[in-house]
Amino acid sequence: DADVTQTPRNRITKTGKRIMLECSQTKGHDRMYWYRQDPGLGLRLIYYSFDVKDINKGEISDGYSVSRQAQAKFSLSLESAIPNQTALYFCATSDLRTGNTIYFGEGSWLTVV
Amino acid sequence: LAKTTQPISMDSYEGQEVNITCSHNNIATNDYITWYQQFPSQGPRFIIQGYKTKVTNEVASLFIPADRKSSTLSLPRVSLSDTAVYYCLVGDEPGNTPLVFGKGTRLSVIA
Repeated sequence: DADVTQTPRNRITKTGKRIMLECSQTKGHDRMYWYRQDPGLGLRLIYYSFDVKDINKGEISDGYSVSRQAQAKFSLSLESAIPNQTALYFCATSDLRTGNTIYFGEGSWLTVV
Repeated sequence: LAKTTQPISMDSYEGQEVNITCSHNNIATNDYITWYQQFPSQGPRFIIQGYKTKVTNEVASLFIPADRKSSTLSLPRVSLSDTAVYYCLVGDEPGNTPLVFGKGTRLSVIA
């Protein structure tokens, strides 16, 4: 079983719909991240959380929101999806001990039509 | 955040040594240099990290000159399975500032 699990792995949704991507981890890490990757491009940071009560915007937070429900769970929401949010989304975790070694989930493909 | 610059793409034949150089002119004193590898449709994975001089592990070597304004990831005797995107990042340890990934270097290994 993966240490960082993302659900759903694939989702097609319509413009204007609300969609939530969920991430759970069994690594015991206190830091969690959401990244977005567009085809052929690098990853861009959407939001990050260094503990349950901490939420920070990343490079491209507009149009997204997050919730850190517990140490092990970090969800990403698109309140009103638009086609240019079609991308591959990655959740990742780390902690003070791992530092710049962060562990990624398997990714969630989201298509907005 | 220190920014990095690396080649967009590189090609190599199987069995060759591949060196990917990254520039980070504005690296801070407490920044480390970290490299990640990403296969298609997978999340990036950590390869190697260093602060200065040379670091070697079972996957790669990392060379960092004294001024630390650049670094070189060296992959010995690449195989087709090394075809991937390689990211160079700089950041403080213990990672109090989230890593910013650029576009990376797309390495294509040819038989």
